[in-house]
Amino acid sequence: QKEVEQDPGPLSVPEGAIVSLNCTYSNSAFQYFMWYRQYSRKGPELLMYTYSSGNKEDGRFTAQVDKSSKYISLFIRDSQPSDSATYLCAPWGDSGAGSYQLTFGKGTKLSVIP
Amino acid sequence: ETGVTQSPTHLIKTRGQQVTLRCSSQSGHNTVSWYQQALGQGPQFIFQYYREEENGRGNFPPRFSGLQFPNYSSELNVNALELDDSALYLCASSLVAPAGEAFFGQGTRLTVV
Repeated sequence: QKEVEQDPGPLSVPEGAIVSLNCTYSNSAFQYFMWYRQYSRKGPELLMYTYSSGNKEDGRFTAQVDKSSKYISLFIRDSQPSDSATYLCAPWGDSGAGSYQLTFGKGTKLSVIP
Repeated sequence: ETGVTQSPTHLIKTRGQQVTLRCSSQSGHNTVSWYQQALGQGPQFIFQYYREEENGRGNFPPRFSGLQFPNYSSELNVNALELDDSALYLCASSLVAPAGEAFFGQGTRLTVV
């Protein structure tokens, strides 16, 4: 079992839809839960993150973590064509490599159709 | 405040050759991490440097090595290149605490032929 599982999609939605992106993880040592957005041929950019379980909202984006079920979600409201990108969940913590670092999921490719 | 910059942006090498990739950290960040991203995959952790010392390593062979300099810039060296080394190599800089928010460069696209 991979440490972080994420459905790669692709996911295609109409403009204005609510998008739900999800990951599961296996390592209980993860402490922070990041979401990165990656446009084609670019490096990932940090979208938002949460600490431990709970919700965090930033504009149209809401990140949610349930540590009891090891489940991570990102919701996008009123999706826009400019949201079309690959979304990467990345828990942060000690994954046994001797330091604290990000462990990425495979990424979900999202297309928002005008 | 400058962001993370990587050079070169693209590179083509022949199998068996050696390559050096460079990264300039974001101002004020003392930790640099390197990741390998194969096509259609998420980034995979290679190693991390903190104050010029390797501070953790992922599941990569010793032919992947690195350096961090006093100004916190960094290099990734790969010896004896293999075809499977073809990927996007990403550098990320961060502060160790509190959450290790990592900021990525645009990456170096390495093609091994």
